[in-house]
Amino acid sequence: QLQLQESGPGLVKPSETLSLTCTVSGGSISNSDYYWGWIRQSPGKGLEWIGSIFYSGSTYYNPSLKSRVTISVDTSKNQFSLKVASVTAADTALYYCTRHWATMITLGGFFDYWGQGALVTVSS
Amino acid sequence: QSALTQPASVSGSPGQSITISCTGTSSDVGSYNLVSWYQQHPGKAPKVMISEGTKRPSGVSDRFSGSKSGNTASLTISGLQAEDEADYYCCSYSGSSTLVFGGGTKLTVL
Repeated sequence: QLQLQESGPGLVKPSETLSLTCTVSGGSISNSDYYWGWIRQSPGKGLEWIGSIFYSGSTYYNPSLKSRVTISVDTSKNQFSLKVASVTAADTALYYCTRHWATMITLGGFFDYWGQGALVTVSS
Repeated sequence: QSALTQPASVSGSPGQSITISCTGTSSDVGSYNLVSWYQQHPGKAPKVMISEGTKRPSGVSDRFSGSKSGNTASLTISGLQAEDEADYYCCSYSGSSTLVFGGGTKLTVL
C-alpha cells in the first residue's frame, strides 16, 4: 500500500523559507505513470495546488506561487521536497504531498494518494 | 487563473439526491474533460471520488457520479447517507500545465 509522509518544521519565521519533504513508501517515486504534487489548505479554507514534479525533475507550478516555490525530487531516497521562499502569514497552512496521475498530453488528472498533512505556521 | 466557483453549502435528507456544481470558464472546465472531485471529512485528507469528469476510482460507491455541461461540472450523490456529510472540492486542468481547485462545498445531511 502506497504511503506518503510529510516532514519538516512546523514553525517558520516571516521572510524565511519553508521547507518540507515527502517520503514515499510502498512504491517507487520513479514510476513513470505518475507525478508527485504539493497541495495546501489554509485554516478553514479550501485547497490550493502548489505544484507537481515528475521523477525526471520536470516541474510545474501554480502561477500565483511560481516566483517563490521550488519543488525537487531525490529518487535515491524516494523523496520529493517543497521550498517556499519569503513566507508571510498567508502561507500558514496544512501542506499535503500527493501522488498525481496525469494524462500523457496535459497535467490534468487527479490526486489519488495523500499524506496526512503537515501544519506549517508562519509567525515570529 | 481564478478558483472554480462552487456553492458554499448544500443539504439534503437521507435517501435524497443532491448535486454540487463547479463553474469555470472556457479555458478550464469547458475545454477539458479533466475535472476531479474530492471528499474531505473533518481532520482528514481529501479522497478522490471522481476523476476525468465521470470516472469512479476503484472502491468509490456508485452513488457518486460526475457530469459536465459547458463550463460547469457537477457531482451528484444519490441515495444520500449520513456518512456523505463532508466538504467537497472540484479540481480542473486549466491549460499551460496548471490546475485549479474550487472553493469547496459543505454538504449537510439533514
